Amino acid sequence: DAKTTQPPSMDCAEGRAANLPCNHSTISGNEYVYWYRQIHSQGPQYIIHGLKNNETNEMASLIITEDRKSSTLILPHATLRDTAVYYCIVRGLYNFNKFYFGSGTKLNVKP
Amino acid sequence: DTGVSQDPRHKITKRGQNVTFRCDPISEHNRLYWYRQTLGQGPEFLTYFQNEAQLEKSRLLSDRFSAERPKGSFSTLEIQRTEQGDSAMYLCASSPLNRDPQQFFGPGTRLTVL
Repeated sequence: DAKTTQPPSMDCAEGRAANLPCNHSTISGNEYVYWYRQIHSQGPQYIIHGLKNNETNEMASLIITEDRKSSTLILPHATLRDTAVYYCIVRGLYNFNKFYFGSGTKLNVKP
Repeated sequence: DTGVSQDPRHKITKRGQNVTFRCDPISEHNRLYWYRQTLGQGPEFLTYFQNEAQLEKSRLLSDRFSAERPKGSFSTLEIQRTEQGDSAMYLCASSPLNRDPQQFFGPGTRLTVL
């Protein structure tokens, strides 16, 4: 599975969009990008995943560049409850083994 | 609530004691995973099961650690002769076998070894 690089922390004002970047320059053609988040003292929570097309669900949008070497998770209207550590993970869709989480990005949503 | 439960949520023990944690996955999920998370780090993989078979163990899983999933349902993780370095959050996750392998995580068990 390809490795990912994320900034250690980011700030965002409440009500504004939070854009969290992730670099995965060694991603291969059959590997998906997953995003999870972990709110303090809880287990990680699935947010979204995608292969090459942009994806959107009720929680967030995922924008993957055309060369697939980077992606951005967008929380359209961040709230204080979105303060968490966000993990970008690359993995083959039919690789049922472990996730490599890395250190993630700590998103601080401020009032 | 993802449907994955872990017990206990918190455990304080003295160095040298044995501890056991339990994980109940989502009932139809064939795969079950254990991770360990220390302060400021992301979760690190320990081991995983497909049904009752333990298919992979990390080198982090020393001889003092043992995991079981006897009937392919709940799982236990035992740590023998605990050390202060074992203090961490122990996370369990489950996933279905033949669909999108998103992992559903439990709330974790926080272990403190004094």
